[in-house]
Amino acid sequence: EPEVTQTPSHQVTQMGQEVILRCVPISNHLYFYWYRQILGQKVEFLVSFYNNEISEKSEIFDDQFSVERPDGSNFTLKIRSTKLEDSAMYFCASRPQGGLHNEQFFGPGTRLTVL
Amino acid sequence: KQEVTQIPAALSVPEGENLVLNCSFTDSAIYNLQWFRQDPGKGLTSLLLIQSSQREQTSGRLNASLDKSSGRSTLYIAASQPGDSATYLCAVRPQGSGGSNYKLTFGKGTLLTVNP
Repeated sequence: EPEVTQTPSHQVTQMGQEVILRCVPISNHLYFYWYRQILGQKVEFLVSFYNNEISEKSEIFDDQFSVERPDGSNFTLKIRSTKLEDSAMYFCASRPQGGLHNEQFFGPGTRLTVL
Repeated sequence: KQEVTQIPAALSVPEGENLVLNCSFTDSAIYNLQWFRQDPGKGLTSLLLIQSSQREQTSGRLNASLDKSSGRSTLYIAASQPGDSATYLCAVRPQGSGGSNYKLTFGKGTLLTVNP
């Protein structure tokens, strides 16, 4: 069964460093998402991406964040200068085209630890 | 702003017991509601999706109901097993998040432990 994959599973970085989190969505999906979950907190929406552009972003998704689909398969989240409070689990999700009720399929997540 | 609340935060039951997890949301203008399972340190697995026009959905031992007007959903698990131990999240897709957006608003989850 097709699934969303994410790499790395765990990323440790120093505060102020740039990180890139990578996702490979399901191959025929056209809508892509990033969510994050701070330990013990709710899963929060960060950004949605369609047709090579951001379609919506939350207030969390400030200028330190960017997303890109550099080729036909990868979808990346970049954090330019990490802060301690960026430590969280980051989930990528994708869904197929069309339909009000199409499910989002989530990847296993990348745990980001900022020291 | 849509808020999703799940009660209880944690639940411990003996194996074989039937149980109900609760989810409430403040804005009834939703397209659908999804229940997810999250194992420790893992991703989210979709269990059931209920459309706003539906009252319930069933999958195996799971039954989810939706009362959109009162802003409530329940997840019923029959004959619980130790393998059901996980955190269960509910998430709503608000109306107005149409087209490509489809962002989900999550509750904090219920941590379920089923004891052998």
